[in-house]
Parts: sequence; C-alpha cells; structure tokens
Amino acid sequence: NAGVTQTPKFQVLKTGQSMTLQCAQDMNHEYMSWYRQDPGMGLRLIHYSVGAGITDQGEVPNGYNVSRSTTEDFPLRLLSAAPSQTSVYFCASSYYGSNEKLFFGSGTQLSVL
Amino acid sequence: AQSVTQLDSQVPVFEEAPVELRCNYSSSVSVYLFWYVQYPNQGLQLLLKYLSGSTLVKGINGFEAEFNKSQTSFHLRKPSVHISDTAEYFCAVSDQGAGFQKLVFGTGTRLLVSP
Repeated sequence: NAGVTQTPKFQVLKTGQSMTLQCAQDMNHEYMSWYRQDPGMGLRLIHYSVGAGITDQGEVPNGYNVSRSTTEDFPLRLLSAAPSQTSVYFCASSYYGSNEKLFFGSGTQLSVL
Repeated sequence: AQSVTQLDSQVPVFEEAPVELRCNYSSSVSVYLFWYVQYPNQGLQLLLKYLSGSTLVKGINGFEAEFNKSQTSFHLRKPSVHISDTAEYFCAVSDQGAGFQKLVFGTGTRLLVSP
C-alpha cells in the first residue's frame, strides 16, 4: 500500500523557472491538501481540494496553482519560482470529515536560487 | 478562525524522564484537536486526537493528552521518554463544523531526548 506519494524528493530551481510538484494517493481519499513547512512557522496550508474538480485556497496560496482532475492526483504548480518559495512541501490526504486522520507524504525539499 | 500556540520551540529531556509539551488553542467554534509527530526526514503521522467524551486521550507510543476546555489547552505527556521519541511534535485544530479536514497547525516543539 503506497499511501501518499510525492515526487520529486529534492529540487533546485532558478528564480523565474516553473515546475510541478506531484502528489498521488491510492486510498480513494476525497480530501487532498498541500502544506509548506518553514522553520519556526510550522505547517501552513497552501491549497486544498474536497474532491475532483473542486479546489480552494488555504492560508498562503499566492504563487501557487492547483487542479484536481482525478481523485488520485493533486499537483502543485509554481509558475514563476521565487526565493521566498524555498521550503519543504507536504501533500496530505484524508477521507471527508473534519475529524479524519491526515495521511502525509514524505515531502519535497525545494530550493529556489 | 482558529489558531494554535506551542510556546516551547525546543524541550530537552533525559531518557526515562517524564515530559509535557504544551499546546493552547483559540477558536470561536467547537474544534477537534490533534497531535502529530514528525521524525527526521519523514512526513507527519498522527499521534492522537480528541473528538469528544473523555478529556484524557491515549495515543501511540505511550503518549497521552488532556483536553482542558476552560484553559483551552491540549497538553501532550509521556511518563518516561526514550531516545527514539526525539522528533518534532505538532499540535493542530480543525473546525468541527467545516465538514472536511482543514487543519491549522502550531509552530511545533522539538523534543530532544539524551542518554
């Protein structure tokens, strides 16, 4: 059982480049989300989705785009990377319900030079 | 909107000693409360959660937490820690009425267990 799979694990970008962080889950979870983790700031919600075709903004959405065309996949796009986007990114998923356990991927460490 | 405060950024402790990691929350609505643990170079995993009922919640690896509504706290405790408990611990809340899992996390407490 793969759970939540994130790729790549590490990425270095130059300012202005674009890229997509991939997230896939095989648990048929309705809810998927992206967090960024920065030292001293904990995890902050970027975007989330409650089902295919439905996405919404979290606490820090600027500079990021998402789409949810299938239940399994929830990619995060950086259209023009900035040094402020240097962070560790986590994808998480769960069944629908505010008391449900979140399952996290192992993270993507992104550096923007 | 909810917020979570973890006052201690780092807690050093000796092996086999007890530990308490503090968490306070703020919310205008009823919430669910969670503790997640992050081991080095890994994603977060659920330690325990409070939904309703008994205010003392037991989790994995011998951890427990107590919900105190009057003090809006949800402190995590373990009576005797092991080296393997060295990790970062995150307290989190979600809005009971939201219908879906949208967690607000605290800034984390790094537990350092030494021999």
